Amino acid sequence: AQKVTQAQTEISVVEKEDVTLDCVYETRDTTYYLFWYKQPPSGELVFLIRRNSFDEQNEISGRYSWNFQKSTSSFNFTITASQVVDSAVYFCALSVGTGGFKTIFGAGTRLFVKA
Amino acid sequence: DGGITQSPKYLFRKEGQNVTLSCEQNLNHDAMYWYRQDPGQGLRLIYYSQIVNDFQKGDIAEGYSVSREKKESFPLTVTSAQKNPTAFYLCASRISSFSYNEQFFGPGTRLTVL
Repeated sequence: AQKVTQAQTEISVVEKEDVTLDCVYETRDTTYYLFWYKQPPSGELVFLIRRNSFDEQNEISGRYSWNFQKSTSSFNFTITASQVVDSAVYFCALSVGTGGFKTIFGAGTRLFVKA
Repeated sequence: DGGITQSPKYLFRKEGQNVTLSCEQNLNHDAMYWYRQDPGQGLRLIYYSQIVNDFQKGDIAEGYSVSREKKESFPLTVTSAQKNPTAFYLCASRISSFSYNEQFFGPGTRLTVL
């Protein structure tokens, strides 16, 4: 069975602090994709990043960075110098199956960034 | 602008009534999905459709029904058989169910049963 665990339910930081959101996944598939989505208060999920199971390179996009480690089945997300606009719920997701049609979402981590 | 629209944004229903949530996309995507989101929980898949005139049950399909008569549209009906329908409903699409591409989401419909 596949599973995505986001152990941090809520995180509160002060603006300009760095924050890491944890994601641990379980699957027996050798081919899979991992995603991060952001859900701002408006409700619509916004895609942030996709990473396939064969590419363990870390990625940086502006203040965002992602650390994928197959050895620990983790795909953690770090926001550097957080801003109030980063306040949202962040979901980690796992896609498996032929073509990845089945996507399993974690429970989400709610991030509060205070000014 | 391409995207997904859901209507209405807020919906109130009396117990025992069926209600239909609208989802329309103009992204020319083959695959469409309906998710339910409850507080503190992740998204749970209700139904998905890989192509027009085809749809499959997800993990929590009981009490729901869908149709996919047009590529652009994937309405969800919440029937009176759904025991606890109050939730936030999200529609999503993907270019193809045979790809690992990301999903695009609509703004959601918040359904409250009175």
